[in-house]
Amino acid sequence: DAGVTQSPTHLIKTRGQQVTLRCSPKSGHDTVSWYQQALGQGPQFIFQYYEEEERQRGNFPDRFSGHQFPNYSSELNVNALLLGDSALYLCASTMTGGGPYGYTFGSGTRLTVV
Amino acid sequence: QQQVKQSPQSLIVQKGGISIINCAYENTAFDYFPWYQQFPGKGPALLIAIRPDVSEKKEGRFTISFNKSAKQFSLHIMDSQPGDSATYFCAASIIKAAGNKLTFGGGTRVLVKP
Repeated sequence: DAGVTQSPTHLIKTRGQQVTLRCSPKSGHDTVSWYQQALGQGPQFIFQYYEEEERQRGNFPDRFSGHQFPNYSSELNVNALLLGDSALYLCASTMTGGGPYGYTFGSGTRLTVV
Repeated sequence: QQQVKQSPQSLIVQKGGISIINCAYENTAFDYFPWYQQFPGKGPALLIAIRPDVSEKKEGRFTISFNKSAKQFSLHIMDSQPGDSATYFCAASIIKAAGNKLTFGGGTRVLVKP
């Protein structure tokens, strides 16, 4: 049973560019959350998607946007990249009504902005 | 606003010793307190979790102690092993809140010396 799959594993972008990160949730999960983990810090909640809509959003600017597809997979888009956007981006999935109990994290995408 | 504060930032313990990590929270609406373990290059994995209606929960060598009045909780790792060397994060969530986002502490890097 595959867990949460994220792609790509690593990515290097230039300041000002745009990036798209992808996530496939664990089988049976329909809710996807994205977190940003800066080096040496705890993950910070970006937003959550359920039924193809953004259900909750953390304290991140509009440059961060997302999408969820009918098969529950999700994308995270970041526009106008800043050096400070360099971080590990984690995707987590859970089941509707599962609460925070069933959170399963992927291994993340390491984004470096130069 | 950092709602969950974690200490220490790092600790070194001898094999067989006890590792103790402490967290304090501010939001009294939190009612779910998980601990996550993260190895380099991997996403966080749930280790153990507690609800505020109990003061202690033990799973194998891992124990959570919870003090609701002090708004503090801690993780004890008994008989620490080199394989326990990882970064540990406490987190908090509101179970019935839409989205059930996790609010993480800053992390504790644990090194177990053989």
